[in-house]
Amino acid sequence: DAKTTQPNSMESNEEEPVHLPCNHSTISGTDYIHWYRQLPSQGPEYVIHGLTSNVNNRMASLAIAEDRKSSTLILHRATLRDAAVYYCILRHNSGGGADGLTFGKGTHLIIQP
Amino acid sequence: DGGITQSPKYLFRKEGQNVTLSCEQNLNHDAMYWYRQDPGQGLRLIYYSQIVNDFQKGDIAEGYSVSREKKESFPLTVTSAQKNPTAFYLCASSIVGQKRTEAFFGQGTRLTVV
Repeated sequence: DAKTTQPNSMESNEEEPVHLPCNHSTISGTDYIHWYRQLPSQGPEYVIHGLTSNVNNRMASLAIAEDRKSSTLILHRATLRDAAVYYCILRHNSGGGADGLTFGKGTHLIIQP
Repeated sequence: DGGITQSPKYLFRKEGQNVTLSCEQNLNHDAMYWYRQDPGQGLRLIYYSQIVNDFQKGDIAEGYSVSREKKESFPLTVTSAQKNPTAFYLCASSIVGQKRTEAFFGQGTRLTVV
């Protein structure tokens, strides 16, 4: 299975941009890069995903390296509500159907007021 | 509103008892998943299912069992064989075979065994 590597924690100030890195050097050509975040005592929620091109949505931007071996989740203007654990995962197929949807430990993002 | 529901939110059981956690979704998703999360840790996959009456073991299936008799439901039983069952349990669902689509998670069940 393709794995991802993220820093254990990062700290940023409120109203500043945040760049959360993820390494996935063994990514295959058909793996999508997904990001989720988890607030304390809640289930994870989807943030964004991409395959090759950079992506933007109302929550964040995803920058994908040209060789696809790394990606960066960008929060353009962090708020205190963005403090959460952020997971970078690769969606791949296992057998003929559902993928295992494997999560690592993620990055604990701390936002300072 | 479509979504995925886990119940109960908090569950207490005595050591040695089996306990079943409920997970229901009305998103018409074929794939469903169960995860375990310990304090300060990431999510670890217990079981997943891509279709009714079929399921696969994840990374930590020992001491757990599941069933998938209906598309909407994927209950997880924590058996007495699970040595350390106290944890936060999360259920998720997604469309099968569509790697570009997101998974949806329930709000979790916090199980405490005393």
